[in-house]
Amino acid sequence: DGGITQSPKYLFRKEGQNVTLSCEQNLNHDAMYWYRQDPGQGLRLIYYSQIVNDFQKGDIAEGYSVSREKKESFPLTVTSAQKNPTAFYLCASIVDISSGNTIYFGEGSWLTVV
Amino acid sequence: GQSLEQPSEVTAVEGAIVQINCTYQTSGFYGLSWYQQHDGGAPTFLSYNALDGLEETGRFSSFLSRSDSYGYLLLQELQMKDSASYFCAVATGANNLFFGTGTRLTVIP
Repeated sequence: DGGITQSPKYLFRKEGQNVTLSCEQNLNHDAMYWYRQDPGQGLRLIYYSQIVNDFQKGDIAEGYSVSREKKESFPLTVTSAQKNPTAFYLCASIVDISSGNTIYFGEGSWLTVV
Repeated sequence: GQSLEQPSEVTAVEGAIVQINCTYQTSGFYGLSWYQQHDGGAPTFLSYNALDGLEETGRFSSFLSRSDSYGYLLLQELQMKDSASYFCAVATGANNLFFGTGTRLTVIP
């Protein structure tokens, strides 16, 4: 079945470490997104990518980095510069948001700083 | 700045009807969509309105008034499994979906 796979589901990070969250999709969607969700809050956009080898900052990009070397893959690195990284991270893909196509989310990754 | 306002919590009785309102102020507008999220899970798409009026999908309906920058989600014949958070989101352009902070719906027997 087509969908978005995020891994790992749970991840613990020590202070000063970089960690990478994986996001893979087999929906053949061009656009992919990373959102952050804090408890009781909405989703905030970190980065998005419309095509391979191109990506744009969202509202809260500081302390994060991404790459888009393949259409299917859009990994997110949470760097040590992100001072408050504990959150739920969601990857998503869509054909075209403006036309109302359904946005597909992965199951999410919980990141905790220890 | 951009903002979406929804009630933070709503409680309703099983079998009843509940309406969750959303007012928005954004720099661009392509459409208003609604998502359901159960605790610990990913949001799932419920509906999308690009034009004024009512869209019906089973027990769920969504309404949009672009002139009032307002929409709502209507849930009928509430079931216990409908207890979840509901987010409205505005497509502000071809690339961005701006989410509200969500409404936590609790369905009671």
